[in-house]
Amino acid sequence: AQRVTQPEKLLSVFKGAPVELKCNYSYSGSPELFWYVQYSRQRLQLLLRHISRESIKGFTADLNKGETSFHLKKPFAQEEDSAMYYCALSPGLNTDKLIFGTGTRLQVFP
Amino acid sequence: DAGVIQSPRHEVTEMGQEVTLRCKPISGHNSLFWYRQTMMRGLELLIYFNNNVPIDDSGMPEDRFSAKMPNASFSTLKIQPSEPRDSAVYFCASSLEGPKLFFGSGTQLSVL
Repeated sequence: AQRVTQPEKLLSVFKGAPVELKCNYSYSGSPELFWYVQYSRQRLQLLLRHISRESIKGFTADLNKGETSFHLKKPFAQEEDSAMYYCALSPGLNTDKLIFGTGTRLQVFP
Repeated sequence: DAGVIQSPRHEVTEMGQEVTLRCKPISGHNSLFWYRQTMMRGLELLIYFNNNVPIDDSGMPEDRFSAKMPNASFSTLKIQPSEPRDSAVYFCASSLEGPKLFFGSGTQLSVL
C-alpha cells in the first residue's frame, strides 16, 4: 500500500533554531516525493520536489531510500516559515496521482 | 490567470440535502483532482481526471459521492444525500506537468 506518514502534528521552535519536519513513506516502487506548504490565508502550493534537488526558501529535503524518508530541513527557522507542511508521494509510472500525509503545523516563535 | 477557482467558498446544509461543489481548473491544464481535508486524515485524494476522463476514483468514500468533468474547464463533486461526517474542506487542484498541483482555495462544507 502507498502511504505517507508525518508523525508530528505540531512542531514549535524559536526563530533561528534548526527545523526538521519528518516524513516517511511506504511504497514498493520508485516514488517521487514532494513537500507542499500552506501559509495562513493562502493556497496550498508546491515547496520542493526531490528530483529537483534544490533549496527553496532555505529548505532542503533528501530522499533516503534505505530509511524510506524525505525529511524537510532548514538550518535557521524564520517567523515567516510558520505554516502547514504536507509531504506527498507520487507513484510515478505515468500517473499524476499525489498521496499526501496528514501534515505538520510549524510554529516559529520570535 | 486567476488560478483554480472553486465555488462556493462556504456551504452549510442540512443532513440529507444534496451538495454540489464546483471547480474551474487553470486553462490548459489536463489533470484535475478532488481532495478532502480533515483534521484526522489530512488530505485524501477522492478522484482525479486526465483529459476529462476519470482515471482513479478509488478514494471516493461511497456511492453518495459522484464527480463529473463534462469539459476541460469545469468539474463538479456531488454529495447526495449529505451526512454530518462529510463536513470537511474540499479542494480542487489541476496540473499540466505531472504531479505539480495548483490548488484552489477550497470549499468549507458543514453538514448539520
